[in-house]
Amino acid sequence: DAKTTQPPSMDCAEGRAANLPCNHSTISGNEYVYWYRQIHSQGPQYIIHGLKNNETNEMASLIITEDRKSSTLILPHATLRDTAVYYCIVRGSGTSYDKVIFGPGTSLSVIP
Amino acid sequence: EAQVTQNPRYLITVTGKKLTVTCSQNMNHEYMSWYRQDPGLGLRQIYYSMNVEVTDKGDVPEGYKVSRKEKRNFPLILESPSPNQTSLYFCASSPLAGGSFFGPGTRLTVL
Repeated sequence: DAKTTQPPSMDCAEGRAANLPCNHSTISGNEYVYWYRQIHSQGPQYIIHGLKNNETNEMASLIITEDRKSSTLILPHATLRDTAVYYCIVRGSGTSYDKVIFGPGTSLSVIP
Repeated sequence: EAQVTQNPRYLITVTGKKLTVTCSQNMNHEYMSWYRQDPGLGLRQIYYSMNVEVTDKGDVPEGYKVSRKEKRNFPLILESPSPNQTSLYFCASSPLAGGSFFGPGTRLTVL
C-alpha cells in the first residue's frame, strides 16, 4: 500500500494558487517527500522534493509540517497546463532508495 | 539533452511471442526502474535496479524479466506475453537521492 494519502480530486481557478495536500503520517526519519505530476498518459514529471525544510523551485513550493506527517504542494499561479494528476510519494535515499509505491494521486482541474 | 528513451513506443503482439522493450538514459543515473500503468490501478513498479548487475522486484514482477549489464540500459523482457500484460509501460531513472526522469511510455497490446 502507498505510504501517502491524497484527496482524489481538486479544482482551482486559473491564476489562483493551487494547494495540494498529502498525508504521510508513517514517514521515517530518512525518507524524503517527492511530488510528480502526469498529464494525460505522458510520462510522470518530477516537480520537487524535500526532507524537512520548505523547498521552492521554478515550478512549485513544498511546505512540510514540522512533524513531517503531512505536506502541501503549492502551484503559485495555476494555468490550464497545470491540469494533471499529482502524486505525492515518500522514499529514502542512498541504499534506502529502493521500491517505489505510487498512490492514486490527486486529479487537479484548473478552471478558466 | 537529459532524457530517458524507450523503444518501441507502440507494440501490438500475440500471446507467447517473446519481446523486449528497451530503455536507455544519458544522465549516468544509478537507479532505473520499470512501471506499468493500468486504468484504475495507477502506476505500479515492476522491477528496479540500484546499479549495474543489481536488480530487485517491485510490486508486480510476475511475467517480466530485466537485466542491467550497463549503467545506461535497463531492458524489460516479456518471455511469453499474455493479454493481461497489455498496458502502458514507463521506464525511469534517477540518482540515488533525487527525482526520477520518466520515459515517454510504451503502449503494449497483447492479443
